[in-house]
Amino acid sequence: KAGVTQTPRYLIKTRGQQVTLSCSPISGHRSVSWYQQTPGQGLQFLFEYFSETQRNKGNFPGRFSGRQFSNSRSEMNVSTLELGDSALYLCASSFALAGGSETQYFGPGTRLLVL
Amino acid sequence: AQSVAQPEDQVNVAEGNPLTVKCTYSVSGNPYLFWYVQYPNRGLQFLLKYITGDNLVKGSYGFEAEFNKSQTSFHLKKPSALVSDSALYFCAVRGAAGNKLTFGGGTRVLVKP
Repeated sequence: KAGVTQTPRYLIKTRGQQVTLSCSPISGHRSVSWYQQTPGQGLQFLFEYFSETQRNKGNFPGRFSGRQFSNSRSEMNVSTLELGDSALYLCASSFALAGGSETQYFGPGTRLLVL
Repeated sequence: AQSVAQPEDQVNVAEGNPLTVKCTYSVSGNPYLFWYVQYPNRGLQFLLKYITGDNLVKGSYGFEAEFNKSQTSFHLKKPSALVSDSALYFCAVRGAAGNKLTFGGGTRVLVKP
């Protein structure tokens, strides 16, 4: 079974631009979560989607948004990019709503560099 | 609020020696605990998790972890470390009612030949 895939793997943008990242979950998984990883803040939860609905949201500004499609694929969008948005963005999928004992499986990430 | 602490930024160990990576947590109610490993330029790979039952959990690649409720700890262990175990290790917690996975800051493991 194929793992979680994320595209693109690397991205360079300039301040003020916007960016869209894509995530395809493991086949059969319906929950997709997004995380931001930076050297300073570590791994931080962005949001989770299940059945095309945002179920949970972390502590990030409204510039960060996402959506999920009927095939469970998800996209996240960052508008008006800032230098501090440079990070590794990780997508994780799980079979059901990510709660309790449910295991999340991570993709390889998209490394975003904002200049 | 839930939190995870990994007190060591880096652990150095000689190949063949036992490896321990420490993790303590704070969460309301019963915890669900996870260990992930990250290799350079890669995502996180799931190693093992504690749900309930036996305090000693066995996972992938010969790793195991011991859950200690009284000390609120979930230390990762491997009896004999390999050079290929050199990576960044993350402990994570989720409460029974919560949906968010909270990670520790990570511990870099360096196994020397």
